[in-house]
Amino acid sequence: DQQVKQNSPSLSVQEGRISILNCDYTNSMFDYFLWYKKYPAEGPTFLISISSIKDKNEDGRFTVFLNKSAKHLSLHIVPSQPGDSAVYFCAASGPSNTGKLIFGQGTTLQVKP
Amino acid sequence: NAGVMQNPRHLVRRRGQEARLRCSPMKGHSHVYWYRQLPEEGLKFMVYLQKENIIDESGMPKERFSAEFPKEGPSILRIQQVVRGDSAAYFCASSPTGSGDGQPQHFGDGTRLSIL
Repeated sequence: DQQVKQNSPSLSVQEGRISILNCDYTNSMFDYFLWYKKYPAEGPTFLISISSIKDKNEDGRFTVFLNKSAKHLSLHIVPSQPGDSAVYFCAASGPSNTGKLIFGQGTTLQVKP
Repeated sequence: NAGVMQNPRHLVRRRGQEARLRCSPMKGHSHVYWYRQLPEEGLKFMVYLQKENIIDESGMPKERFSAEFPKEGPSILRIQQVVRGDSAAYFCASSPTGSGDGQPQHFGDGTRLSIL
């Protein structure tokens, strides 16, 4: 039962352009959605999150959009930089009082110089 | 570096042996989570602990796996009588409060367990 899905295993973009990573979920009870970035042989690093009551959150080059009716969220990175090349995981938490994060399978982003 | 510390980074065991994975949370964090990542997959939740309490172990296999977070010292994930299918990367995360309030979990760099 895959409650959080990232249907694109990989994405390649040119440096300076926009990267858009997508994530779909099935459980309407999720409270928060988070994006993590992971380099090989390292742990995931938190990037940005969004509450289920919001539709947009922005932090520097990173913006997350949430479409609750479509049960879809996306991470926009603009402008993309070669150092952004990594695996990006979408994760969901909730309903409240549960601690676990439910992760998608990840999308490997390659930013070409 | 006051981040989440996991050790060892790499652990090799033979089938039937025991594996002990350790995790020290970030300073001030009293909530610890363990996840497992199989090759080409996302992270799968295993267990959520607070000091001396298991809060949610719904992701733990029913047999051979156990976890603790004692009053003093690191959290331990213990796998008894390991099998080849236990080979994976095991990640520990911590947070200052339960993640139900949106606080992000901060991850360690993981322990890569290989079973011969």
